[in-house]
Amino acid sequence: QVQLVQSGAEVKKPGASVKVSCKASGYTFSTYGISWVRQAPGQGLEWMGWISSYNGNTNYAQNLQGRLTMTTDTSTSTASMELRSLRSDDTAVYYCARGRSTYYFDYWGQGTLVTVSS
Amino acid sequence: QSVLTQPPSVSAAPGQKVTISCSGSSSNIGNNYVSWYQQLPRTAPKLLIYDNNKRPSGIPDRFSGSKSGTSATLGITGLQTGDEADYYCGTWDSSLSAVVFGGGTKLTVL
Repeated sequence: QVQLVQSGAEVKKPGASVKVSCKASGYTFSTYGISWVRQAPGQGLEWMGWISSYNGNTNYAQNLQGRLTMTTDTSTSTASMELRSLRSDDTAVYYCARGRSTYYFDYWGQGTLVTVSS
Repeated sequence: QSVLTQPPSVSAAPGQKVTISCSGSSSNIGNNYVSWYQQLPRTAPKLLIYDNNKRPSGIPDRFSGSKSGTSATLGITGLQTGDEADYYCGTWDSSLSAVVFGGGTKLTVL
């Protein structure tokens, strides 16, 4: 069965960086892209960007350009998301999700809480 | 402020039917497929509907999706208390080159 298992919760200070990983299993990793979606406390879903697990091509949300880097490691079927220069409003649960060609997400990770606080 | 507009909340009695609307524009819903997600409290979103009206395996036919012009609708029949959740619509926005979501609708089963 398809599973996406994310790394654990993080607490960071403003200005620091965080890296969240997402290990995939149950399917051929390079066949599907991975998107990252975040959800601030009590708020809705925000798409952060997408990475092709086949060739590493990326597409980042405009408001995160310059602070965000997504990578994949096909040898371990793992996708990662690094967000730099963290601010308090980056506090959120971060999800990885398997993306399909018509821009929907059929499997999601369990979520990783990132707290940014001084 | 979300690109797609959903009502903040809807409610209905057990066994009844409810619809949740999702309004957008020609750059998103009007020319792209819509998906719907259910998020139970403190859990990850779950895919309910994709490509406007298709259900993944395991999703009961009580859940349905439709699209007309620049709006989409999620329908849920035979409401159960376990359906209480937040529901989100999503689609691709060709102008933004980004996936966009609605603000979410909280369903209460009275």
